[in-house]
Amino acid sequence: GAGVSQSPRYKVAKRGQDVALRCDPISGHVSLFWYQQALGQGPEFLTYFQNEAQLDKSGLPSDRFFAERPEGSVSTLKIQRTQQEDSAVYLCASSLAGGAETQYFGPGTRLLVL
Amino acid sequence: GESVGLHLPTLSVQEGDNSIINCAYSNSASDYFIWYKQESGKGPQFIIDIRSNMDKRQGQRVTVLLNKTVKHLSLQIAATQPGDSAVYFCAGISGGYNKLIFGAGTRLAVHP
Repeated sequence: GAGVSQSPRYKVAKRGQDVALRCDPISGHVSLFWYQQALGQGPEFLTYFQNEAQLDKSGLPSDRFFAERPEGSVSTLKIQRTQQEDSAVYLCASSLAGGAETQYFGPGTRLLVL
Repeated sequence: GESVGLHLPTLSVQEGDNSIINCAYSNSASDYFIWYKQESGKGPQFIIDIRSNMDKRQGQRVTVLLNKTVKHLSLQIAATQPGDSAVYFCAGISGGYNKLIFGAGTRLAVHP
């Protein structure tokens, strides 16, 4: 079956521009995570959804970052007034339920802010 | 704070040799660990996992060892192949919502 998909795969934004990154999780997966991966680093947690409920947003670096999952499937990560330090790969992962089971990752969106 | 880190940032091996990638963690509360492989331009791919009530788990050509006493995790890859070249991350589950805490990664380079 299809895995986690993300779009766009690459995004170049001018500083100050708003961007929206989309994640399509594996069908039926309850849990959805967003991670940020800086160059040469491991992914870092941003936020977590269980169905449509955003249960943990402790990793969002500022109030310019906003995520939603209104129908409990597709999720969008929005970054307002992008800054150069926002340049990174944004990874989405989903898992079947809410337990400590395997998270499956999408290919990521590489964001470059000029 | 809690962290999951790695001893070696790069590892070069000859094709056919066995590879061992190490990882240390600091959060004693982590009860589930995963090794991921990440190739260039792709998301992390699940390799193998282990729960804290185990000390060893084997998969196809891979073995994960967990030493809770010294908070150490290792990934062993048997008969390393060029296709194994990638960055390998260990990650531990943390918190009530099971977010992953990743280490910085080890790059494995396999030479023919």
